[in-house]
Amino acid sequence: KQEVTQIPAALSVPEGENLVLNCSFTDSAIYNLQWFRQDPGKGLTSLLLIQSSQREQTSGRLNASLDKSSGRSTLYIAASQPGDSATYLCAVMDSSYKLIFGSGTRLLVRP
Amino acid sequence: GAVVSQHPSRVICKSGTSVKIECRSLDFQATTMFWYRQFPKQSLMLMATSNEGSKATYEQGVEKDKFLINHASLTLSTLTVTSAHPEDSSFYICSAPPAGGETQYFGPGTRLLVL
Repeated sequence: KQEVTQIPAALSVPEGENLVLNCSFTDSAIYNLQWFRQDPGKGLTSLLLIQSSQREQTSGRLNASLDKSSGRSTLYIAASQPGDSATYLCAVMDSSYKLIFGSGTRLLVRP
Repeated sequence: GAVVSQHPSRVICKSGTSVKIECRSLDFQATTMFWYRQFPKQSLMLMATSNEGSKATYEQGVEKDKFLINHASLTLSTLTVTSAHPEDSSFYICSAPPAGGETQYFGPGTRLLVL
């Protein structure tokens, strides 16, 4: 059974810092891996999607990497801003298009 | 991008009543929709897969007689929480992939509070 783990569970950084969020999964037979952002009490916003054949994806200040063989992904956020404060969720998609989510990393960027 | 809506956004009900939550894909058709549940400070857990024109498939541990799912059209799936109890209080989110696509679009969620 696929399990997704995210470390750290919570992170507090001063504005301007670069930071890395980690995600690991137990079964490397994934279709893709996605990173989402969730604001308190809100739905999910898709940030980046990495296909199983890809190594990384970039969007603005965000860069996500995927090492399928080792079951790891990282989300790199450059020059963090207070508006980046949210919960970041990692999810892997299996062959039946089901998403299995990690428990998330709660990020606080202090002004 | 594609839009998925949910209604209601928030509902409070008494224990023992039933609550219906709607999930609509506004600008695309979806033969499949997914229902997730999220307890406070926890991640999303897949409850069931809603299939247009056929029975939903439920994840292990999810009672199909308690969480009734109907996918009557290519743009609408409903989740009915029957005989709701306080422990059913949660954030319910649906998602839908456009037909043939792997990207899922998420609804804004429905917060259910059972008193």
